[in-house]
Amino acid sequence: DAGVTQTPRHEVAEKGQTIILKCEPVSGHNDLFWYRQTKIQGLELLSYFRSKSLMEDGGAFKDRFKAEMLNSSFSTLKIQPTEPKDSAVYLCASSSLGGRYAEQFFGPGTRLTVL
Amino acid sequence: GEQVEQRPPHLSVPEGDSAVIICTYTDSATAYFYWYKQEPGAGLQLLMSVFSNVDRKEEQGLTVLLNKKDKQLSLNLTAAHPGDSAVYFCAVRNTGYQNFYFGKGTSLTVIP
Repeated sequence: DAGVTQTPRHEVAEKGQTIILKCEPVSGHNDLFWYRQTKIQGLELLSYFRSKSLMEDGGAFKDRFKAEMLNSSFSTLKIQPTEPKDSAVYLCASSSLGGRYAEQFFGPGTRLTVL
Repeated sequence: GEQVEQRPPHLSVPEGDSAVIICTYTDSATAYFYWYKQEPGAGLQLLMSVFSNVDRKEEQGLTVLLNKKDKQLSLNLTAAHPGDSAVYFCAVRNTGYQNFYFGKGTSLTVIP
């Protein structure tokens, strides 16, 4: 089985640009999460979907961050407009309601650098 | 809301020694506990999952201890080797609630 895939692995953007990050969850998983990872803040939840419905949108990230789940096997995270402080690793994870522990399985991440 | 503290932030041990990482949490309703490993340039890899009815779980050189009275979770790597060098994260979750709360991570270096 394929794990969580994320593209691109690296992204460099100029301040003010729009970027779109992509995620494909593990096949059959109902829940999908987007996180931002920095050394200072650790992992911060950006969005959480259950069966394509947005359950949580990470409050502080609402204004420039928009995650969508177009179908059960594909999600995007749009950052518009980008700012240098958005430089971080963006991680996507998925989990299954049917799993005993409902573990989250993570993709390799997208490293975003905003100049 | 739930608060998870993880310590130490950095840990260096000689090869063959044990390494212990500790997390404390605040919500007594927390029911699920996880440990993840992150290698450079990679996502988080699940190491072990524990439910709250378990005090101790061992798998492949890893021991997880759960002390519900003190709301403390620990990961013990016995006989660490250089391949164990990575950042380790604890995470916790309440029953019926899918959000995970993560510790800030421990950077482990195993010195050959």
